[in-house]
This record gives sequence, C-alpha cells and structure tokens, in this order.
Amino acid sequence: EVLLVQSGAEVRKPGESLKISCKASGYSFTNYWIAWVRQMPGKGLEWMGIIYPGDSDTRYSPSFQGQVTISADKSISSAYLQWNSLRASDTAMYFCARFESAHSSGWFDYWGQGTLVTVSS
Amino acid sequence: DIQMTQSPSSLSASVGDRVTITCQASQDISNFLNWYQQKPGKAPKLLIYDAARLQTGVPSRFSGSRSGTDFTFTISSLQAEDIATYYCQHYDSLPYSFGQGTKLEIK
Repeated sequence: EVLLVQSGAEVRKPGESLKISCKASGYSFTNYWIAWVRQMPGKGLEWMGIIYPGDSDTRYSPSFQGQVTISADKSISSAYLQWNSLRASDTAMYFCARFESAHSSGWFDYWGQGTLVTVSS
Repeated sequence: DIQMTQSPSSLSASVGDRVTITCQASQDISNFLNWYQQKPGKAPKLLIYDAARLQTGVPSRFSGSRSGTDFTFTISSLQAEDIATYYCQHYDSLPYSFGQGTKLEIK
C-alpha cells in the first residue's frame, strides 16, 4: 500500500526556521516525483515545487523560489520542506503528493495527510 | 506560466442535479488536465486525469471533457457525499498550477 505520512503540526514564531517531512512507503521512492502544495486558511491549492528523489532534481514555482527549500533523503524515503525564516504569511496546511507519470500523462495520485504550520508571535 | 481560470467559485445545487464546473487554460495544454475533489480537513483526491479519464474506483457520475483550452467537469446526478471543493490542475509545463477551486454546496 502506498502511503505518504507527514510530520505533525508545528507552531513557530516569525523568524524561526522549520523543516517538515513526508515519509513514503509502499513504492520505489526514487522513481517518482514528490511535490509540495500549500493551502492557506480558507484558500485554494498552490503548487510550490517538486523533487525527483532519484537524483534530487528540484523545481520551484516562481512564487516560492528562494522562500523555501525542498529536499529528499532517499536512504529513508523522505522528502522535506524547509524554511530558514518563517513569516506569519507562511501559516498554512502543507501537503506532499506523489506525481505519477505514464506516457505523456501525469497526476498526483497519493497525498500525505497534511502538516499544519502556524506562525505567530 | 500557464494560468487556470476556474468557474464558478461556488455553486449550490440539489441532490440529483447535473453540476458543471469549467476551467480555462491561458494557452494550449492539450489534454494535460486533472480534476481533484477536496473535502474539509482532508487531502485532495484525484477524480479525472488526462481531461476525461476516470480514476479507478471513482463513480461514473463524474466525468470530464475538453474543447480547445476549455475544460469541463460534470457530476451527472449530484449526491450528498459530493459536497466538497473541486480543483482543476494542469501538467503541461512547470509550475503545475491549480485552478482557484469551486466550492459545491447542497441547496
């Protein structure tokens, strides 16, 4: 069974750093892209970026480039989303999702349960 | 970057109604479009991929179609359990952006 299990909710102060995780199981972690998606309170889904754990090739949405760092550790089948200096506007639910691709098609077929990040002084 | 314009932002319908949501891409994306359902407090769930292909296990009342850069998502007969927010998402080129979402409510 494919599972993506994310780390638990976090509360931080502005300016603090944070790294959240997404642990994959039930498939070959290095063969699928993993994306991160932000959902601010009461808002829609925003595609942040994507990583291929096989070679750590990482792409970012222009909206998030330089604001976050996406990484992966294939030895423990985990992907990460990291902030060096959080802002109140980073308060959101963050989802990881596996990107399945077949021929020219592609879709997010498995999702983590989400990690709620709250940034408040 | 490709922009996805989804409408309406909210929709109220009765059980048994036919419901239609549209997404317009800012440029040609072929069939590279998916539809997701998100219920409150849950992760999104894939319903339709490649504009019109039904994901395994998804009820056949859900369907999708394409005309040029316009994409349509349809629920043929709305059920109470379909109450959710629906999103389109393209995968033509990075970034793989989502539409703004359509919140579906029961009238």
